[in-house]
Amino acid sequence: GAVVSQHPSWVICKSGTSVKIECRSLDFQATTMFWYRQFPKQSLMLMATSNEGSKATYEQGVEKDKFLINHASLTLSTLTVTSAHPEDSSFYICSARDPTSGRDVGELFFGEGSRLTVL
Amino acid sequence: GQNIDQPTEMTATEGAIVQINCTYQTSGFNGLFWYQQHAGEAPTFLSYNVLDGLEEKGRFSSFLSRSKGYSYLLLKELQMKDSASYLCAGMDSNYQLIWGAGTKLIIKP
Repeated sequence: GAVVSQHPSWVICKSGTSVKIECRSLDFQATTMFWYRQFPKQSLMLMATSNEGSKATYEQGVEKDKFLINHASLTLSTLTVTSAHPEDSSFYICSARDPTSGRDVGELFFGEGSRLTVL
Repeated sequence: GQNIDQPTEMTATEGAIVQINCTYQTSGFNGLFWYQQHAGEAPTFLSYNVLDGLEEKGRFSSFLSRSKGYSYLLLKELQMKDSASYLCAGMDSNYQLIWGAGTKLIIKP
């Protein structure tokens, strides 16, 4: 089945630094990828929709200058948390749909997730 | 507004059956999804319903009633590995998923 790989799985950084998280679709081309954030014991919160070759669409309340998304190719989207602060510590998850899988229209394939801790 | 409601936590016994309910309100409707999420891991797809009725997949079944805005996930022959959070998500007219907060299922021996 379709595989989405996310890297790094864990990252610890100092406050004020920037962190980049990569999301790759390994065996399919994803024109659209989704970035979620999940705080402990809470559900997934969609941050933005990443569109290949164009600007990302951010959800209300998500700072586009703080969470930079780049989708430069059909298999790679990156999320950069700029000037990270402790309140940005969270579990960040990317996902993508395989348009050729022939499976359910909404089935999302998720990356493994990246746990960010900002000291 | 759009909303997904499901219980916060449920407890069941190994070998038993448990039903996790979900009610939804979405702007338009393109289906209802269930995902399983183990602690510290990403969600994995379980089921998708867009028509009324019951869909069975092995030990897991999912039911949908569009007129009632209601779905449930039924887990049979519970195993300890089924301990996880179960996320209900409705897809709106823009094909966006609206996520519930998840139901934490605790399985006891």
